[in-house]
Amino acid sequence: EIVLTQSPGTLSLSPGERATLSCRASQAVNSPYFAWYQQKPGQVPRLVIYGVSSRATGIPDRFSGSGSGTDFTLTISRLEPEDFAVYFCQQYGSSPRTFGQGTKVEI
Amino acid sequence: QVQLVESGGTLVKPGGSLRLTCAASGFTFSDYYMHWIRQAPGKGLEWVSFISGSSVHTYYADSVKGRFTISRDNAKNSLYLQMNNLRDEDTALYYCAREWSAFDIWGQGTVVTVSS
Repeated sequence: EIVLTQSPGTLSLSPGERATLSCRASQAVNSPYFAWYQQKPGQVPRLVIYGVSSRATGIPDRFSGSGSGTDFTLTISRLEPEDFAVYFCQQYGSSPRTFGQGTKVEI
Repeated sequence: QVQLVESGGTLVKPGGSLRLTCAASGFTFSDYYMHWIRQAPGKGLEWVSFISGSSVHTYYADSVKGRFTISRDNAKNSLYLQMNNLRDEDTALYYCAREWSAFDIWGQGTVVTVSS
């Protein structure tokens, strides 16, 4: 099983700042099967990035994903108020599919 | 419109059984792998199980292997999760999700509470 470890656990930033979220895998992820999800309180998780770096439908271009092998990054170039949420990374290239424990981006 | 709607969640005693259903609409259901994911109160996402479009392939998290069974009926556009021998730690919001480009469509979830 591929274990995903996200850092930091919490990111305290202000609107307009840049957010960099990291996810490290316990073994190499089958490229390009890596994704990021956003979840706001009381809401369903929403796909943000798939295939390491492709933005999902409706996701603004301030969101970008990168990485390969065991290290992946989600970057939000300029935080908007609606971006404050919990973000989960996921690998879906091997079974079991696994999620990271989440990074909370807070004001 | 592409949609997934879960149902079947309720309060059940430890050791009990429950079957969750996920009704799909707006897409060709049989073309997609389908998944169950759960989220315990205040916790992160835990992947539970998947099934391939033709039901040939299934896979389970270790935490539910031998107790849960995933199945689907493509004629009814429905996904199921049969949960047996439920434990307190199975208490969670259970989501179904479609896998295409990652998990691109999620249902609203159904709550399962295991408690005596």
